Amino acid sequence: GQQVQQSPASLVLQEGENAELQCNFSTSLNSMQWFYQRPGGSLVSLFYNPSGTKHSGRLTSTTVIKERRSSLHISSSQTTDSGTYLCALEQSSNNRIFFGDGTQLVVKP
Amino acid sequence: GPKVLQIPSHQIIDMGQMVTLNCDPVSNHLYFYWYKQILGQQMEFLVNFYNGKVMEKSKLFKDQFSVERPDGSYFTLKIQPTALEDSAVYFCASSSGPGENERLFFGHGTKLSVL
Repeated sequence: GQQVQQSPASLVLQEGENAELQCNFSTSLNSMQWFYQRPGGSLVSLFYNPSGTKHSGRLTSTTVIKERRSSLHISSSQTTDSGTYLCALEQSSNNRIFFGDGTQLVVKP
Repeated sequence: GPKVLQIPSHQIIDMGQMVTLNCDPVSNHLYFYWYKQILGQQMEFLVNFYNGKVMEKSKLFKDQFSVERPDGSYFTLKIQPTALEDSAVYFCASSSGPGENERLFFGHGTKLSVL
């Protein structure tokens, strides 16, 4: 089965709106990471968040282990936020990494 | 679905030795990547590779590192010589295109332990 389910698959916003991206997981984890995929394919790590809430500028990540979910919140979205966002779970039983399928975000001016 | 295979899953070597990490990417993919994750830290980009060339590399991609994909076989990451700080899990990824909308497929990683 799929260890990580990411939603929504795609999201279209007007500039200034907020975005909420979700990852739900079905296994126990050591950590959850959120990435932004740049043009060219390389990933930029946004958050390394095993549990709790972390903030970075307009971004907030919240991981609630007992509810088996992690979210990425983008406030006051900008056109430059457009792109693919990925979550990745590190499974506690064997330290393997599982990625979600990604959310493609489009922010319109 | 498409899979990226990494061989071996765990490698233990002595400091100063050479090591080659092997990645069998998705069969029709043309873009390849290596990432490094030290235990307890975030995953970080090392390098991407296309058409026989390194397209982009990070500061973590030291002179001791090299990548190649000879004759369409494994995509490899070679470290020569290894250092203690090279101990980490190395993830390979591949994609069919270079853009931000092209999905990366990741392997499960090779854990490298340098003693």
